[in-house]
Amino acid sequence: QKEVEQNSGPLSVPEGAIASLNCTYSDRGSQSFFWYRQYSGKSPELIMSIYSNGDKEDGRFTAQLNKASQYVSLLIRDSQPSDSATYLCARRGAGAGSYQLTFGKGTKLSVIP
Amino acid sequence: DAGVIQSPRHEVTEMGQEVTLRCKPISGHNSLFWYRQTMMRGLELLIYFNNNVPIDDSGMPEDRFSAKMPNASFSTLKIQPSEPRDSAVYFCASRPTSGSTDTQYFGPGTRLTVL
Repeated sequence: QKEVEQNSGPLSVPEGAIASLNCTYSDRGSQSFFWYRQYSGKSPELIMSIYSNGDKEDGRFTAQLNKASQYVSLLIRDSQPSDSATYLCARRGAGAGSYQLTFGKGTKLSVIP
Repeated sequence: DAGVIQSPRHEVTEMGQEVTLRCKPISGHNSLFWYRQTMMRGLELLIYFNNNVPIDDSGMPEDRFSAKMPNASFSTLKIQPSEPRDSAVYFCASRPTSGSTDTQYFGPGTRLTVL
């Protein structure tokens, strides 16, 4: 199985704090990892992608990947109320089926003003 | 540029009725995906088209579901007959041919309620 697991939350953080979202995956053949943000009643929107071990930073967002531990995380610095949404972790494998994204069920984040 | 367009945005129907969902991908994108999202199961891939050809329909729940892509700018997902357990949000997504080929662009979704 090529499952992606996330804590469903809700995760509540005060405005200005760091929000840490975590994701684990079962398929060691997974090559690429993605974080999508989904506001209530809206469609998922890609905010970060990461392909190699280590950190990748984009503005207030940092994605972290540890393939040995099969672990992906997303850090949001200086959290804002506008960051309140559900964050979906996704993985893509290699070879046959590499077009397919497998999504976790998402973690709901609430940033409290 | 217009994003992925889906219609209708909301559909309420009665059990046993036929439902047709429509999708227009972003112009120039050669890959199209249909997803279903529920609280219980999350976001699941139903079917994937590449260059209008169905490549993987293993996610289609059963024979009541069918999907077509007659040309590069239009796809349909049909449920016949519909059942209450089909109630979900159905998303269509497209992916570009070149450039950021990992990025899937999602449409606004169709919220389906089967009574």
